[in-house]
Formats: sequence, structure tokens, C-alpha cells
Amino acid sequence: NAGVTQTPKFQVLKTGQSMTLQCAQDMNHNSMYWYRQDPGMGLRLIYYSASEGTTDKGEVPNGYNVSRLNKREFSLRLESAAPSQTSVYFCASSETTQQFFGPGTRLTVL
Amino acid sequence: GENVEQHPSTLSVQEGDSAVIKCTYSDSASNYFPWYKQELGKRPQLIIDIRSNVGEKKDQRIAVTLNKTAKHFSLHITETQPEDSAVYFCAATFNDYKLSFGAGTTVTVRA
Repeated sequence: NAGVTQTPKFQVLKTGQSMTLQCAQDMNHNSMYWYRQDPGMGLRLIYYSASEGTTDKGEVPNGYNVSRLNKREFSLRLESAAPSQTSVYFCASSETTQQFFGPGTRLTVL
Repeated sequence: GENVEQHPSTLSVQEGDSAVIKCTYSDSASNYFPWYKQELGKRPQLIIDIRSNVGEKKDQRIAVTLNKTAKHFSLHITETQPEDSAVYFCAATFNDYKLSFGAGTTVTVRA
């Protein structure tokens, strides 16, 4: 039982490049989330998916897209990366209120 | 959406002393308040949570109190140990299961 997994662990991009962050959970949870964490700002919700087939914007969705591929997987895509998207990205999942977090992806955009 | 404020941003305590972190929230409909601990380079992990129908909850050296009327909740760590050094985040629910997080408190326990 791996819980929530994320790939890659680290990534460096140049401005304008695109990439997809992958997240998977094996706890059969309905809800999944993407957060970004910046120093002094806590965790901010980018997008979430309440169930398979649905997605919705969070607090900071601009510059991102998501796909809920199936119940297990929820991916986050940066179409044209910007230096302001340098951050640590966490995926999480939940069945009710308690959220379980993945190990994070540290992204640097040059 | 929900606005969660957390104080202090940093806290240094002597080993064995108590640490208290306070949070306020804005949405009176919030009904679930978790606390997460994040060690350097690691993922946030839930350490304790409280629901709106309970005023206080305790788990060994950790306790959380909730004042719904004043819209604030607090984390209390007693008999602090070096392994309690970490960043602590409070959060509150809004619109069902979504969480809004505070900015975090860096706790340092001095030996």
C-alpha cells in the first residue's frame, strides 16, 4: 500500500516549456487535490477533483490544467512554464475530510 | 473562500516547555480543522484534527481547542522534545472537503 505517489521528484524547466506532473493513489479515494507550497504562504489549492470525471478550480488555477484520468490518477499540466511557477507541488487524496499527501515535486523554472 | 490566519510564524521553545500555535478562520460554515506537521523536505502529515461539534481533543502531548463563536482554534504541544521541531500548519474546510491552510509556524525546540 504505497498511499499517494508523485513523479517526478525534481524537475528543472526553461520558461515556456511544458510538462505534466503525475499523481496516483491506491486508497480508493474519490477526491484528489493539487497544491503548491511557497515559502511563507502555506499550501494553496490549484485544482481539485471531487470524483472521477469531475475537476474544479481552486485558489490559484491560472497557468495550470488538470486531468482526472481514472479514480487512481490525477495529473497537473503546465502548458507554458513561467518562473512564478517555481514551487513545490503536492498531490493529496481523501475519502471524506482527512487528506493524505504525496511526497511532492520540486519544480524550478528558469 | 475561507481565510485562515496563523500565528506566530516562528516559535522557539526550550525543551520541556509548552508550545502554542493559534489560528483564526473566516467561514462560519467550516466544520473540520486539521493540524499538519511538516519536517524539512517531507510531506505534510496529519497530527490531530477536531470537528466543529467538539471543543477540545487530546492525543498524548498534543491537544487542540476550538472556539466556534470566536472562530479560532489552537494547537498545544506539552513537554516539547527536539523531534517536535518542524513546520506546523492549521487548516479549515470550505465548500465540503476543500481545505484552506494557514501560512505555517516554524517551531524550533532548543535542547
